[in-house]
Amino acid sequence: GAGVSQSPSNKVTEKGKDVELRCDPISGHTALYWYRQSLGQGLEFLIYFQGNSAPDKSGLPSDRFSAERTGGSVSTLTIQRTQQEDSAVYLCASSQTGGFEKTQYFGPGTRLLVL
Amino acid sequence: AQSVTQLDSHVSVSEGTPVLLRCNYSSSYSPSLFWYVQHPNKGLQLLLKYTSAATLVKGINGFEAEFKKSETSFHLTKPSAHMSDAAEYFCVVSVSGNTPLVFGKGTRLSVIA
Repeated sequence: GAGVSQSPSNKVTEKGKDVELRCDPISGHTALYWYRQSLGQGLEFLIYFQGNSAPDKSGLPSDRFSAERTGGSVSTLTIQRTQQEDSAVYLCASSQTGGFEKTQYFGPGTRLLVL
Repeated sequence: AQSVTQLDSHVSVSEGTPVLLRCNYSSSYSPSLFWYVQHPNKGLQLLLKYTSAATLVKGINGFEAEFKKSETSFHLTKPSAHMSDAAEYFCVVSVSGNTPLVFGKGTRLSVIA
């Protein structure tokens, strides 16, 4: 069956521009998670969706970062006014039901480079 | 607060020899523990998961890990390394369903022919 997909796979943007990253979870998975993987910082949790609501946004690093999920499926992570320190791989994961102890299935990531 | 320490940033083994990737955790509660593997330019794939059942957990591709509460460890082992095992390995802890996963910094495994 289809796994978690993310688009684009690579994104190069100029400092100050906005970017949107998309995640398609596994069909039927109710929970969706965003992470950021950067050199020196490892993997950091950003935000968690259960259905269309986000009970945990604690990992969003600043108000330039936002995310939404519609129809209990696709999610978009938006970074406004990008900065060079936003350069990282953004990973999305989904799980069949909510709860961080559940097995999460990861997508291949979007590699973002801010020039 | 919980934390995860992967004791080696890089491990190099010869093909056919045993693999040991070390992980220690810190948690005030009974955690769930995971090992994920990440091949270059790929997403993370679950190798195995411990959730307070058997302390010896068997995963995919011949990997296994043993939960040792007294040592707060969850080391990953494989009896015989294969070239395809070369990747980055992450030890991950989950304290509860409401608390985000905490990832170790990762261990890069190299397998020499």
